Formats: sequence, structure tokens, C-alpha cells
Amino acid sequence: ETGVTQTPRHLVMGMTNKKSLKCEQHLGHNAMYWYKQSAKKPLELMFVYSLEERVENNSVPSRFSPECPNSSHLFLHLHTLQPEDSALYLCASSQDRGYGNQPQHFGDGTRLSIL
Amino acid sequence: DAKTTQPNSMESNEEEPVHLPCNHSTISGTDYIHWYRQLPSQGPEYVIHGLTSNVNNRMASLAIAEDRKSSTLILHRATLRDAAVYYCIPTQGGSEKLVFGKGTKLTVNP
Repeated sequence: ETGVTQTPRHLVMGMTNKKSLKCEQHLGHNAMYWYKQSAKKPLELMFVYSLEERVENNSVPSRFSPECPNSSHLFLHLHTLQPEDSALYLCASSQDRGYGNQPQHFGDGTRLSIL
Repeated sequence: DAKTTQPNSMESNEEEPVHLPCNHSTISGTDYIHWYRQLPSQGPEYVIHGLTSNVNNRMASLAIAEDRKSSTLILHRATLRDAAVYYCIPTQGGSEKLVFGKGTKLTVNP
């Protein structure tokens, strides 16, 4: 399924670099999400956007800065990351939020490695 | 968030049915029960969800116990492509938040 596309698929960066992860959904959904999946840890929800407004931030450090310019695109801006931030970053979307009964559609993630 | 218990791993043979159990004894009356799976090197994939009644779709069936404290995901004929980690996730009524646990790693033998 190509409904949610993430780029790049792999990213290696130094701790002082600035980079951005991109997510695009072609499903006409109104809600978008960022998740983090570290090695041997469950997926963790980072941010939730609904109609381009951030509605949830799960105590994520400020070195991660999300942006949602429109309902189809979601970015995660990265700066001054730490080695423990190395993980798989997943984007997801759903038709709306707040109902508990709507499936989320995930992209295949960006594998981030911090040197 | 409702706590879930799933076996760490299960094995099946190709073309045989698979029953993946999940206990969610602290689930509330308005929590939906979602199942997702994650294949290697891919993002999670939605499988099915339900509230009280059993549910069927093209991928699987979901059997929910009458007291809703447990559910079973049924793959009617396992294929090699079904080898994945399967997550059972109750969602709080009115919330889209998915809290992933460790899931069950399903191995399908040819």
C-alpha cells in the first residue's frame, strides 16, 4: 500500500546536524501522527495533528520539532540529536481523531542513525 | 490505558488456521479492540477492530469474549506472508491513541 509515504527511508546524521523527515498521505485523512520505535522497545506515540493543528505532544524533547503545513504533509525537524534518538520513525494517518474506532495507516518509516 | 497480555511467540504451519489470543481484563465498556501487525522492515498494518460483536474482513476474523476481557484474532489459512508481530490494542473510547505492547511474534512454517 502506498497511502502513506515517508522519505528518506534511511538517514545517518551527526549530533550537530539539522535534518527533516517527511511524510505524505494520499488518503484524504485529517489526522496525522509521529511514532518512534526504538530497538527492543514498543512503538511510542510522539505527536498528533488534527486538521493541521498539534493536539498532542507526548513529552517529546524540543530537539524534535513537528510541522504540519497541510493535511497531506507532516514533517519532523531534527536538530542536536543524541545517540539514543537512533530509531525507526513512523508516520501514520487516520480519517479523523477522537473516536477510537478508526484505523491508522502507517508508512514504512525512516531508519535514523545518529553518529 | 487497558493492560494487555499476549503470548510472546506462536508457530503455525502454512494453510492452517491460527488463533492469536489476547487478554485485556481491564478494558472499559467504550474501548475498541484493535489488531495491527508489523512485518519485518515495514510499518504496522491495520488488521481488524471491534467493540462487542465478532467481526470479519478479508484479512481475518476477530472473536470477542462476551465479557470483553479477552479476544482472539483468527487467520483462517496462514500464509508465509502472515509471519509478523501481531499487536492487540484496546483504544480508550473517544481517543485515537494506540499504545503498542510487545505483541506476539507469529512464525509460519512452510
